[in-house]
Amino acid sequence: GAVVSQHPSRVICKSGTSVKIECRSLDFQATTMFWYRQFPKKSLMLMATSNEGSKATYEQGVEKDKFLINHASLTLSTLTVTSAHPEDSSFYICSARSRGTSSETQYFGPGTRLLVL
Amino acid sequence: GESVGLHLPTLSVQEGDNSIINCAYSNSASDYFIWYKQESGKGPQFIIDIRSNMDKRQGQRVTVLLNKTVKHLSLQIAATQPGDSAVYFCAENSPNDYKLSFGAGTTVTVRA
Repeated sequence: GAVVSQHPSRVICKSGTSVKIECRSLDFQATTMFWYRQFPKKSLMLMATSNEGSKATYEQGVEKDKFLINHASLTLSTLTVTSAHPEDSSFYICSARSRGTSSETQYFGPGTRLLVL
Repeated sequence: GESVGLHLPTLSVQEGDNSIINCAYSNSASDYFIWYKQESGKGPQFIIDIRSNMDKRQGQRVTVLLNKTVKHLSLQIAATQPGDSAVYFCAENSPNDYKLSFGAGTTVTVRA
């Protein structure tokens, strides 16, 4: 149980285009999903917290107009990188907490490698 | 800065030996800690967790120790195998908003 998927796993795009990344909880309902980015040989940095049916909360320094997050259902959250630039190239990882539990455990997706040319 | 950090960025271990990975945290209010394993190009994989009301928890081949007095967390891997080669992160949970703060990570390399 507690499987989280991401799509796509890898994406290459041209500078200035927008890219959407999907995060799905496959066998549980997630009231809260988190989006992280990770640069090579670095730790995970939290970008935003996504709650189903409400606006995402962003960490300091993360542009909410550039990284659009939508959590339309209990099993799906999307991150859209708008007007992507080469510096947005990174590994984006989502995680999810299960609904109806006090568990703080976050289950992570496999990540999406974004390369902006 | 990071509230959770690791003492050593890399650890080389002989296959079959035990591994010990250390982590220091700074937030005394943290009530829940998790160890994750991340293989290259993949997302973090849950290994084991421990709550602040415990000082030791064992899983399959892994043991987590928590010393709240010195705010120290460790992960012990018994009989380390080549498949254990990965980056290991400790994470602490903020009790108010369920956010996780990750340490810098320790790269474990298992020598055959």
